Amino acid sequence: GAGVSQSPRYKVAKRGQDVALRCDPISGHVSLFWYQQALGQGPEFLTYFQNEAQLDKSGLPSDRFFAERPEGSVSTLKIQRTQQEDSAVYLCASSLVGSSTDTQYFGPGTRLTVL
Amino acid sequence: AQTVTQSQPEMSVQEAETVTLSCTYDTSESDYYLFWYKQPPSRQMILVIRQEAYKQQNATENRFSVNFQKAAKSFSLKISDSQLGDAAMYFCAYRGLFQGAQKLVFGQGTRLTINP
Repeated sequence: GAGVSQSPRYKVAKRGQDVALRCDPISGHVSLFWYQQALGQGPEFLTYFQNEAQLDKSGLPSDRFFAERPEGSVSTLKIQRTQQEDSAVYLCASSLVGSSTDTQYFGPGTRLTVL
Repeated sequence: AQTVTQSQPEMSVQEAETVTLSCTYDTSESDYYLFWYKQPPSRQMILVIRQEAYKQQNATENRFSVNFQKAAKSFSLKISDSQLGDAAMYFCAYRGLFQGAQKLVFGQGTRLTINP
């Protein structure tokens, strides 16, 4: 496909479970971003990769959140010991290069519900 | 830190009419980018229009245009000839210009309803 894809689209987890969310960026895109969007709110930045390097993780809310992009393409956002406050839509975005002029293209998101 | 504020949680407009969505922001930087994104119920965020702060001319994309007032730190979106497909959440976003300022900072969003 030509766009950013994310899987799964929906995830239900019991409190305390670990989850892994996947993002496939647009082919050739160097930069990859993760955002968290709570219900009725705007997205909030979590972390940013340029190729395989995680250049900014200032938005990760706790050490239970971990992201990786080992080969500079697919990225995984992992949440350990999920809590109810982790319930949100997790959006992935990619852009061609790392410059500020780039457009970020968003995926459809993964809706995580923690019971 | 930069902040973006959208003071209109909901707006509605009659089909074919014009509507303006408001956005204000706070920054100490002199150069930056501003964006309007549209998020339909399917959730995929789509870029509508962007404005470079160093450009005085307001950006325009077909029926969408902005009113950028740098001194007032205001960035409103005007949608002309509203169509049913324009119904969505609209987010205003800020992005810095310099290294390390790659992330988008979003407002809270405005839900736009189009009445037929």
